[in-house]
Amino acid sequence: AQSVTQLGSHVSVSEGALVLLRCNYSSSVPPYLFWYVQYPNQGLQLLLKYTSAATLVKGINGFEAEFKKSETSFHLTKPSAHMSDAAEYFCAVSFSSNTGKLIFGQGTTLQVKP
Amino acid sequence: NAGVTQTPKFQVLKTGQSMTLQCAQDMNHNSMYWYRQDPGMGLRLIYYSASEGTTDKGEVPNGYNVSRLNKREFSLRLESAAPSQTSVYFCASSDQGTEKLFFGSGTQLSVL
Repeated sequence: AQSVTQLGSHVSVSEGALVLLRCNYSSSVPPYLFWYVQYPNQGLQLLLKYTSAATLVKGINGFEAEFKKSETSFHLTKPSAHMSDAAEYFCAVSFSSNTGKLIFGQGTTLQVKP
Repeated sequence: NAGVTQTPKFQVLKTGQSMTLQCAQDMNHNSMYWYRQDPGMGLRLIYYSASEGTTDKGEVPNGYNVSRLNKREFSLRLESAAPSQTSVYFCASSDQGTEKLFFGSGTQLSVL
């Protein structure tokens, strides 16, 4: 069965430090990959998505993610964390295009310390 | 722009009670979804509707029913609530031909 694994349920960084949130997927077929962010008491918002056009994907708020087929990974990074980045981040996959039927990872809570 | 609106925001039920979660979107999207969010498990798809008049099961449909009332509205019904259905429920919609989901702010449901 297809699955998504996010390594680390909680990540803590200092303001200005590099953010790295890890995501691995299991599939024999390259999927469509997404990162969503959830701020407290809100629904999820799309940060970025990979759909095979380019392996390095840039999203909103300075985030980017790199698709590495050999490692079945799609890690999310941001060079310099801001306090407003504190939220829960979800990696998700879809194995068919044109559908919002996603398989989500468990989520990673990002804490940003001043 | 309201986007995706869910009601109620909070609900407490006793085991065996029934209720309907309401969802409406004003973006003229064809597809609508119901997900549940549980700690440590991410979001799981309960039901979806690819277009008006169609519904289909997702990953965890047991204990739920849905109705796509019209293009705007997609409701989720719990016929006989169980404690295992305590969760946060999210409705989402997407435009035809895209994977980008727009989420509502969620309904926090507790079943005692």
